[in-house]
Amino acid sequence: RKEVEQDPGPFNVPEGATVAFNCTYSNSASQSFFWYRQDCRKEPKLLMSVYSSGNEDGRFTAQLNRASQYISLLIRDSKLSDSATYLCVVGDYAGNNRKLIWGLGTSLAVNP
Amino acid sequence: DGGITQSPKYLFRKEGQNVTLSCEQNLNHDAMYWYRQDPGQGLRLIYYSQIVNDFQKGDIAEGYSVSREKKESFPLTVTSAQKNPTAFYLCASSSRDRIPTNYGYTFGSGTRLTVV
Repeated sequence: RKEVEQDPGPFNVPEGATVAFNCTYSNSASQSFFWYRQDCRKEPKLLMSVYSSGNEDGRFTAQLNRASQYISLLIRDSKLSDSATYLCVVGDYAGNNRKLIWGLGTSLAVNP
Repeated sequence: DGGITQSPKYLFRKEGQNVTLSCEQNLNHDAMYWYRQDPGQGLRLIYYSQIVNDFQKGDIAEGYSVSREKKESFPLTVTSAQKNPTAFYLCASSSRDRIPTNYGYTFGSGTRLTVV
């Protein structure tokens, strides 16, 4: 089983649609969780951290279910500019050592 | 504005050559990282450094070397021992705060290395 698994997509949705991405992770001791966005041939950029209580940033909502080792990202009212690859990232923290485990990403195309 | 700068943006290497990729940050971050990204494989950690004059191997360190003589700089050398170096190389940095939920990485814009 991969450490972080995502549905690669692609997800093709019309503008204005709501789309949800899921991610599962294998290490139950993982301590931090993130969603990054990566545009084609560009560097990843932090979209949002994911907290146990769930968190929202505008049209984006992230949820964490530790019991099921599952993370989700919901995008409401999709814009053309949301087209990108969304990377699920899980962080393990042991002493002074941090390690981020990167999913392969889910590709989103928002169509006019 | 603070940020992390990678150069060059594109680099071509001949067989048997060593090449060095530059990474500089002015974010006052203690930790710096080098990743490699190949199509369909996601980001893989090459080397990381959490403090000046110290660095550790990541998951795919063979054929690479690094140095961390200054806090701001973490250059990566791709040696001739790296058999398949064509990839997108990303440098990142982060603060060493001890709140696990708070650390995100800032990435440079990357270097595309191609063997010719």
